Amino acid sequence: GAVVSQHPSWVICKSGTSVKIECRSLDFQATTMFWYRQFPKQSLMLMATSNEGSKATYEQGVEKDKFLINHASLTLSTLTVTSAHPEDSSFYICSPTGTRGETQYFGPGTRLLVL
Amino acid sequence: SQKIEQNSEALNIQEGKTATLTCNYTNYSPAYLQWYRQDPGRGPVFLLLIRENEKEKRKERLKVTFDTTLKQSLFHITASQPADSATYLCALAGSGNTGKLIFGQGTTLQVKP
Repeated sequence: GAVVSQHPSWVICKSGTSVKIECRSLDFQATTMFWYRQFPKQSLMLMATSNEGSKATYEQGVEKDKFLINHASLTLSTLTVTSAHPEDSSFYICSPTGTRGETQYFGPGTRLLVL
Repeated sequence: SQKIEQNSEALNIQEGKTATLTCNYTNYSPAYLQWYRQDPGRGPVFLLLIRENEKEKRKERLKVTFDTTLKQSLFHITASQPADSATYLCALAGSGNTGKLIFGQGTTLQVKP
């Protein structure tokens, strides 16, 4: 299967700070990147979809100014949580997808804890 | 609204038995359905994909069925092993090949030796 990495794997930050999460697809070109988050004991919820070189499309209820997504290359996408608050504490997972569009690969996830 | 339901209660079975997990959905016509395994603190790992025109798919000890009339998928693990203990997620995709997935909340399987 495809190799997907996320960095950092976990982060603790103070309320009000910004946190950047990187997602890399190491062995294929990700034309589309999906970002999900998962609260404890809950399902993965899609936050946004981005296509390389284009602006991201956000799901209903997700603030685009708070969760900044950059997908500048076919192997790297970043999610920046701006002015993080404790309610943003969650498990963030990226899912790069190739041209076929059938999402199958997920990153290992980034655990964010905002104090 | 679209809804996907998996049994939220943990499934406990004895090693060697067959585990059967259920995924039901409403108000949805998925082009395909996928099953994933998720271990604690890790991202999902893809297991199987079954399309709307397929009834059954197999891969080693895994079998998935897809009944679009009942709006249900069953996921079977035969000859289960303690290493199969994990949370299993079903995910549905819409038509249009966008790649977007809607996930169920997952069922935790515990296989006891």
